Amino acid sequence: DAGVIQSPRHEVTEMGQEVTLRCKLISGHNSLFWYRQTMMRGLELLIYFNNNVPIDDSGMPEDRFSAKMPNASFSTLKIQPSEPRDSAVYFCASSHPSGVLSTTDTQYFGPGTRLTVL
Amino acid sequence: AQSVTQLDSQVPVFEEAPVELRCNYSSSVSVYLFWYVQYPNQGLQLLLKYLSGSTLVKGINGFEAEFNKSQTSFHLRKPSVHISDTAEYFCAVSLYNQGGKLIFGQGTELSVKP
Repeated sequence: DAGVIQSPRHEVTEMGQEVTLRCKLISGHNSLFWYRQTMMRGLELLIYFNNNVPIDDSGMPEDRFSAKMPNASFSTLKIQPSEPRDSAVYFCASSHPSGVLSTTDTQYFGPGTRLTVL
Repeated sequence: AQSVTQLDSQVPVFEEAPVELRCNYSSSVSVYLFWYVQYPNQGLQLLLKYLSGSTLVKGINGFEAEFNKSQTSFHLRKPSVHISDTAEYFCAVSLYNQGGKLIFGQGTELSVKP
């Protein structure tokens, strides 16, 4: 059974460039979470979706960040323009709620994308 | 506001010794509690979770955790660690009224030495 798939695994870009991170959910899962991990701030939830609908985007740092779910199994996180302070590991996670917006469900994490903005 | 505090940023321990990783939380509403583990260069995976019922929860790889409501703690324990347990461990809470949103602690780096 394939887990959550993220691409690319590593991305190095220059300040000002657009960056797109990709995530494929586990088949049958319908909740999707994007996290950012840095030494200074730890793991932060950026945004999460349920059934392709954004539920909470209060963690998105600023307008340079945007996330979409064009279909039920795929999501993108875009940063435009990128800045050095965006350097971090970005994780996506998916879950299969047992009820409406269940809070008890296990989240399955992808391996992460390590982003470096020079 | 809700928060999770992991009291130790690093815990060095010798192989076969017992270990306890401490976690305290603060919340004005009911929470569910989780421990996740992150091995080097990998994503997080669930060790165990407390939802309700018995306050002692058993997870994978021989780990267990005890929920203490009066002390708002959810400490993780293992009676005898292996080299392969070297990883970062995260305590997290989810709030019953906020969907699947997880709030993570800062993490505890467990280093098991031979």
